[in-house]
Parts: sequence; structure tokens; C-alpha cells
Amino acid sequence: DGGITQSPKYLFRKEGQNVTLSCEQNLNHDAMYWYRQDPGQGLRLIYYSQIVNDFQKGDIAEGYSVSREKKESFPLTVTSAQKNPTAFYLCASSILRDTTEAFFGQGTRLTVV
Amino acid sequence: AQSVTQLDSHVSVSEGTPVLLRCNYSSSYSPSLFWYVQHPNKGLQLLLKYTSAATLVKGINGFEAEFKKSETSFHLTKPSAHMSDAAEYFCVVTAPTGTASKLTFGTGTRLQVTL
Repeated sequence: DGGITQSPKYLFRKEGQNVTLSCEQNLNHDAMYWYRQDPGQGLRLIYYSQIVNDFQKGDIAEGYSVSREKKESFPLTVTSAQKNPTAFYLCASSILRDTTEAFFGQGTRLTVV
Repeated sequence: AQSVTQLDSHVSVSEGTPVLLRCNYSSSYSPSLFWYVQHPNKGLQLLLKYTSAATLVKGINGFEAEFKKSETSFHLTKPSAHMSDAAEYFCVVTAPTGTASKLTFGTGTRLQVTL
């Protein structure tokens, strides 16, 4: 089945550590996105990529980094510079066309302990 | 610039009664609008979308929404709620020339369905 796979589902990190969240899609979509979700705040865009080896900052990129070495993969690294990393992280993908919707993975819940 | 306001953070209905989740938008362009549903600790699933075709849009699971330009609204309705409808719902707006990177999300409405 085509879709977006995020792993792991739950992740615990100690303060001061970097951690990488995985996102893979087999939908042949050009664009991929990372969102952060906090209670009562909706979804906020962290980074997005529309083509391999290129990506742009979203609204809340500070403390995060990404790479796009393959069309299918868009991993997100939460660095120690992110002051409040505990959140639910959602990866999405889409085709590049007007009015298109995004397709979402099942999310990764990151908790700093 | 674009924005979306979900007028209720929490809605509670009895099973079998109608559902109304309200959404108002602001956009400099003729917008595309979406409703997504999210069950606890899950990703978002598209319920329906409006892209300048028919103003009454039918989606999955019996949901529908009506685009009203004069009221800048895109309210989500369902005639009869089911227990499985309990979830969080997001209204989303995007400009017609944008890619999904231009999606703007509302803050969500949590729907509770009681017996």
C-alpha cells in the first residue's frame, strides 16, 4: 500500500542530545514537510522540501535540521538547540500542483526526559 | 496573507444528533479549503476539500461542508453523529497558486460524542 511511514512512534530523549525522526514515502510525491503539533496550537511548519537536495525553512525552523538526499526520505533532526522539543511531530507529502492536499504519516511523539 | 479561525475549541453532541463545526477564513486569493480529522495519537486524514468547483462539498463518513464566500465560512456538518466521529478536526486554507507548503491550519475543534 502507498503511504507515509514515520518511525519511531514514541521517542524519548535526554536533554542535550540530538535525535533524528524518520519519514519515508512511497507515493512518488515531490514535496515533503515536517510539522510540529502542540495542544491548542494546530500544526506549525518546521521545514519543507520540493525537490531532492533542496529544502526551505518553515515558520519554526530554529533548533531543527533536515536533509533530502532521496525523493522518498526526509529525516528531521531535533538538535539540543531546540529549547522545547517535547511535541507530536507529523511528516507529510504532496504532489506539486495548485489546490493539492497533503498526505500525513501517523506521527512521532517525542518526549524529553 | 491567509488565516483560518475555528470558532469552537470543543464541541459536544449526543450520538444521532447533527454535528456543526465552524470555520471562518481570510485569504487574499480565492482559496482552497480542506477539513482534516485526527484521531488520538494518529496522523491527519483528509475529510473533504473545496477547490472552486461546487460550493457544497461531500466528504467521507457522511461529512459535508459548504463554501460561503459572502460569509467567508466553510463550516463542516454531518446529519447524525456516530461515536466513531469523536476526534479533532482541523480546517485548513491555502492559496490556489500555492503548494501544500502554503497550508495554514486552524487550531482545531475537538468533537466529543456522548451516548
